[in-house]
Amino acid sequence: GESVGLHLPTLSVQEGDNSIINCAYSNSASDYFIWYKQESGKGPQFIIDIRSNMDKRQGQRVTVLLNKTVKHLSLQIAATQPGDSAVYFCADPFRQKLVFGQGTRLTINP
Amino acid sequence: NAGVTQTPKFQVLKTGQSMTLQCAQDMNHNSMYWYRQDPGMGLRLIYYSASEGTTDKGEVPNGYNVSRLNKREFSLRLESAAPSQTSVYFCASSEIGRRPEAFFGQGTRLTVV
Repeated sequence: GESVGLHLPTLSVQEGDNSIINCAYSNSASDYFIWYKQESGKGPQFIIDIRSNMDKRQGQRVTVLLNKTVKHLSLQIAATQPGDSAVYFCADPFRQKLVFGQGTRLTINP
Repeated sequence: NAGVTQTPKFQVLKTGQSMTLQCAQDMNHNSMYWYRQDPGMGLRLIYYSASEGTTDKGEVPNGYNVSRLNKREFSLRLESAAPSQTSVYFCASSEIGRRPEAFFGQGTRLTVV
């Protein structure tokens, strides 16, 4: 069935470096994507979203890129900090059925 | 500011027992969801309710039933618990057409022995 997936289960970066987390999707009709952050012991929290009429959207230290041709999106975190340690999910809310990808665990090395 | 409230927070069941997980939201959201999260796995959608009066199967519905009692409440029932249902369960609500994010409860840690 339709799904949202991630390329890597874990990502380790040096504090201060930029992080890039990738996500692939399979539903060509999907037109809206959301990135969530989940800290240990908590439920996911919204980071940023993007609609299919956009290629790029920027927030505070985060940027999401969408490539509809290859059905791929990425989350870029600038100047990664210890507080960014978490699991990051992309999600597809197509027709209100909110489906999450597997997740990427981001760890920060001092 | 309660948001999404789940009860209970922890539960231990014996194989074959039944129980209902409760979820309530106070944000007047139309859509509500139940997920399970196993170690090393992402969130898997069990059932969802796009609007009051409707429920639909998600990715892993077997062994579960749901009831959208009203706009605020969405319950998840395990009729005959199995060890494979040991997991953390999250309820969420959203109004995706109006605001992008889904709001999550604090989770219910269920162990089936």
